[in-house]
Amino acid sequence: GQQLNQSPQSMFIQEGEDVSMNCTSSSIFNTWLWYKQEPGEGPVLLIALYKAGELTSNGRLTAQFGITRKDSFLNISASIPSDVGIYFCAGQQIGGNKLVFGAGTILRVKS
Amino acid sequence: GAVVSQHPSRVICKSGTSVKIECRSLDFQATTMFWYRQFPKKSLMLMATSNEGSKATYEQGVEKDKFLINHASLTLSTLTVTSAHPEDSSFYICSASPRLAGTDTQYFGPGTRLTVL
Repeated sequence: GQQLNQSPQSMFIQEGEDVSMNCTSSSIFNTWLWYKQEPGEGPVLLIALYKAGELTSNGRLTAQFGITRKDSFLNISASIPSDVGIYFCAGQQIGGNKLVFGAGTILRVKS
Repeated sequence: GAVVSQHPSRVICKSGTSVKIECRSLDFQATTMFWYRQFPKKSLMLMATSNEGSKATYEQGVEKDKFLINHASLTLSTLTVTSAHPEDSSFYICSASPRLAGTDTQYFGPGTRLTVL
């Protein structure tokens, strides 16, 4: 099925560094969501974006809904060991309630 | 708020048996719940959309007779894997959308690890 293009696939960074990941699509999305998943658990919603151009923060996390409605990025500032996990972007198209997921970004933090 | 639970968290069964997985929205009502399947190190794959009081809508390639879905109330959906086989072993995750105007944000359960021997 349709997937979002999420990059990078994985990152191994030093504690304290900032992290950036993004998702792009050839289709327009009405909503962009960012989730974090830890091993053996379900995804946890981090940030939800509902308007093109919207920039939203949640603690050290910041996400933006691209102005073209075809992309979104997630930034994590000053990473800490507990940021380790898989981060997924997900989009909802206009008039639909299904989510289309990116392939995920595996984040590892070296302390 | 927006807590979704799943039961059981892990289940091991013999080939040929059926397994029921429950998904509950604990602090909100959900007209729509979704069932996903996830393979190791892969993204979530939508299996079906479960609508309260009506039949589920299955994604292409998902056998509706094998994966029975029942959405009996606004807080409970069940997925039954019938005549399970080893290839059905996977991580099954449900999600639910609160009945709020203007948003279809999905909140996920913790997942159920199914192992079929």
